[in-house]
Amino acid sequence: SAVISQKPSRDICQRGTSLTIQCQVDSQVTMMFWYRQQPGQSLTLIATANQGSEATYESGFVIDKFPISRPNLTFSTLTVSNMSPEDSSIYLCSARGEVLYGYTFGSGTRLTVV
Amino acid sequence: DAKTTQPTSMDCAEGRAANLPCNHSTISGNEYVYWYRQIHSQGPQYIIHGLKNNETNEMASLIITEDRKSSTLILPHATLRDTAVYYCIVRVGSSNTGKLIFGQGTTLQVKP
Repeated sequence: SAVISQKPSRDICQRGTSLTIQCQVDSQVTMMFWYRQQPGQSLTLIATANQGSEATYESGFVIDKFPISRPNLTFSTLTVSNMSPEDSSIYLCSARGEVLYGYTFGSGTRLTVV
Repeated sequence: DAKTTQPTSMDCAEGRAANLPCNHSTISGNEYVYWYRQIHSQGPQYIIHGLKNNETNEMASLIITEDRKSSTLILPHATLRDTAVYYCIVRVGSSNTGKLIFGQGTTLQVKP
């Protein structure tokens, strides 16, 4: 199955700043996704990262707050903009590759906003 | 919203089979059932998925009822390392466009 690398693995950021998270897949994949996992909670889908076009956002998430890029079939970025302490979460990248192996997840980026 | 309901928590004795139930009464005919688990501080790990037939792999078995309104994940010989949150997910969308919407999952505690 595909292997996903996320950078950074963790960060502590000041409120009002922005952080860009990178997601690199070791093979070309058809679909990439970004999730948020707030402390003690399940995963919430933020958006589907579409190659060559604008991302598709889930209800409650907007492009101005979470701009996403996907320049090719192996790479995507998620930016968390104008951060507040409420944005403190784990952000996870996921990719859909070969049907046999389902959807693969990265190990996540643990973000703390102070 | 997630299309599945699971018990919040379950216990299992080490070496015994762990049977994790999941209800998905509103599942559509072409929607797959996926199971993932998440061990603390790690990304979710794929376990198994299926459509209609029962499935088995090296990790687990998936039993789907004939009406497809519920399923059971079976870990045949649970170990302490199987302690995790288990998510039953109905994929929304087709094979090419589908996405996973997570519910709250079941916290499985395997005890010595």
